Amino acid sequence: AQSVTQLDSQVPVFEEAPVELRCNYSSSVSVYLFWYVQYPNQGLQLLLKYLSGSTLVESINGFEAEFNKSQTSFHLRKPSVHISDTAEYFCAVSDQMDSNYQLIWGAGTKLIIKP
Amino acid sequence: DAGVTQSPTHLIKTRGQQVTLRCSPKSGHDTVSWYQQALGQGPQFIFQYYEEEERQRGNFPDRFSGHQFPNYSSELNVNALLLGDSALYLCASSLDNSYEQYFGPGTRLTVT
Repeated sequence: AQSVTQLDSQVPVFEEAPVELRCNYSSSVSVYLFWYVQYPNQGLQLLLKYLSGSTLVESINGFEAEFNKSQTSFHLRKPSVHISDTAEYFCAVSDQMDSNYQLIWGAGTKLIIKP
Repeated sequence: DAGVTQSPTHLIKTRGQQVTLRCSPKSGHDTVSWYQQALGQGPQFIFQYYEEEERQRGNFPDRFSGHQFPNYSSELNVNALLLGDSALYLCASSLDNSYEQYFGPGTRLTVT
C-alpha cells in the first residue's frame, strides 16, 4: 500500500532564507502528487500539483516542487520565505489507477519562520 | 461562491454518545470526501460519497457512517464515541473524476 513520508515534523528558518520541505512516497506506481498548505485555524488549500509533463511545478506564491521518479520524492522549495508562509504543509499522493483520486497523506511539516 | 462549509465549528461530546457533522460542498461539486485529522498527523480518508452512495471507504469501523443528500451536501455520523475519535474532521468536495479537492475549515470534535 502507498505511504507518504514527510521526514521533518518542524522546519524553523529565518525570514528571507531558502527552505526545502521533504516528501517521499513508497510505491513506484504512476502517481499524482500534491502539496497542500494549512494556515492556522483554516482548512487545507491546494498549493501545487504534479500530474504529468514537466517534473518542476510552481505555485503562484513562489513555491516550487520537483517530481523525482527514481527517488520517489516530491520535495517543496522556496528560495526566500516570508512570515506569511508560516503554516503546516502536507504532501499527498494519489494512485493514477484510482479513479476516485483517493489521497494518501503525509503527517505534515510545520514551517516556522523566525524574524 | 461560498466554498466548502462545515458545521459545527467545534463540538464536545462524551464517550458513548453519537455525533453528526455536516458539510456543504462547493457550488457545482457532486462528490464529497470525509477525512479525520488527529493532532499532529495528516488527514486519514474515511469515505467518499457520490450520487448519494458511499463509493469508497478507508480503514474506519462501521461506527462511522455517512449520507449524501440530493443537493450533494453530506453528513458524517459517528456512533459510540471513543476518546480516540477526538480529531479535526475535514470535508472535501470535488467534481466526479477530478483530482482537485476543495477542503472546508473542519469540525473540531473533542470526546471526553
